[in-house]
Amino acid sequence: EADIYQTPRYLVIGTGKKITLECSQTMGHDKMYWYQQDPGMELHLIHYSYGVNSTEKGDLSSESTVSRIRTEHFPLTLESARPSHTSQYLCASSEYERGEQFFGPGTRLTVL
Amino acid sequence: GENVEQHPSTLSVQEGDSAVIKCTYSDSASNYFPWYKQELGKRPQLIIDIRSNVGEKKDQRIAVTLNKTAKHFSLHITETQPEDSAVYFCAARGTGNQFYFGTGTSLTVIP
Repeated sequence: EADIYQTPRYLVIGTGKKITLECSQTMGHDKMYWYQQDPGMELHLIHYSYGVNSTEKGDLSSESTVSRIRTEHFPLTLESARPSHTSQYLCASSEYERGEQFFGPGTRLTVL
Repeated sequence: GENVEQHPSTLSVQEGDSAVIKCTYSDSASNYFPWYKQELGKRPQLIIDIRSNVGEKKDQRIAVTLNKTAKHFSLHITETQPEDSAVYFCAARGTGNQFYFGTGTSLTVIP
């Protein structure tokens, strides 16, 4: 079944660690996005990609980086995690023409 | 860039009553307006959407209206049920295919 997958679903890690949040989609979509969301609050766009080898920063200033080497894969990396990074991270994808955007289940990150 | 405002931030209704959530946008080039429902601990789910060439769309108990001239769109839920309780987000897709989200409305349906 076509879907968006995120791993890990939950992560507790110490300050200063490097982490990578994985996102993959089998929707065949061109565009992919990363959002940061505190529970029940608004979504903040941190990165997006139009396709392979395309990455753009979103509106929220972030110390993270992304890569898009394969269409279906869009990992997010934090080089040095801080307590201020504690949040939920949602990956999403959309088809360029129709525009419907679908979300993955999220990674809940806690940095101690 | 686009700016989307959403009101109200919280809404409580009695079961069976209607609920209306309103959003405004600033970029007249925005052409696609989805609505998402997010239950506690779950991912946002697309529940209905409308494109700029349509004024109204309905799907069972939910409907969305769009006024391009005034740059606002609304979500209408009729005959509300307790399982409609969630946070609802509106969004507008602007130039460059970016999505701009509203700040969310926490809807509580009281049995």
